[in-house]
Amino acid sequence: EVQLVESGGGLVQPGRSLRLSCAASGFTFGDNAMSWFRQAPGKGLEWVGFITSKAYGGTTEYAASVKGRFTISRDDSKSIAYLQLNSLKAEDTAVYYCTRGDGYPYYWGPGTLVTVSS
Amino acid sequence: DIQMTQSPSSLSASVGDRVTITCRASQAIRNDLVWYQQKPGKAPKRLIYAASSLQSGVPSRFSGSGSGTEFTLTISSLQPEDFATYYCLQYNSYPRTFGQGTKVEIK
Repeated sequence: EVQLVESGGGLVQPGRSLRLSCAASGFTFGDNAMSWFRQAPGKGLEWVGFITSKAYGGTTEYAASVKGRFTISRDDSKSIAYLQLNSLKAEDTAVYYCTRGDGYPYYWGPGTLVTVSS
Repeated sequence: DIQMTQSPSSLSASVGDRVTITCRASQAIRNDLVWYQQKPGKAPKRLIYAASSLQSGVPSRFSGSGSGTEFTLTISSLQPEDFATYYCLQYNSYPRTFGQGTKVEIK
């Protein structure tokens, strides 16, 4: 059974950093791209970015709203994807979801809440 | 960036009603569109991919159609468990972009 579990969310002050983790199981992690999405409270869904598998170079793409501040990485030996959030702003407050694959993901984690506030 | 315009933003309907939700893309995206259902506090659930392919396990009352710039999600006979928010997502190009969502409420 495919499982994705995000962790690392919490309350953080503006300008600070946070690292989210997505622990994966039930599939060959290293063969899959991994994506991140987010949803601000009471708002719609937003794509954050993704990372390809190492076979495709481990390349990344990001939304303009986070490019230069957020970094996606992966540790295939641990089956974990990471989302490093730097220079956080109030508008980054959201539930962050990881998904398996790119495009039209089927498997989503339950999400982790990041609150940026002083 | 491709803009996805979803309508309506909300609707009220009764059990048994036929419901149609539309997404329009600002440029042609072939059939690279997926529909999700989301209930409060939960992750999105994929209903339709490639514009019209029904996800395994999803009831056949859900259907999708369209290609190019105009897409529709139809629920042929609304059931109590279908009251939720629905989103379209284009995966033709980066950045991936969602419609604004349609909240389906009980009339």
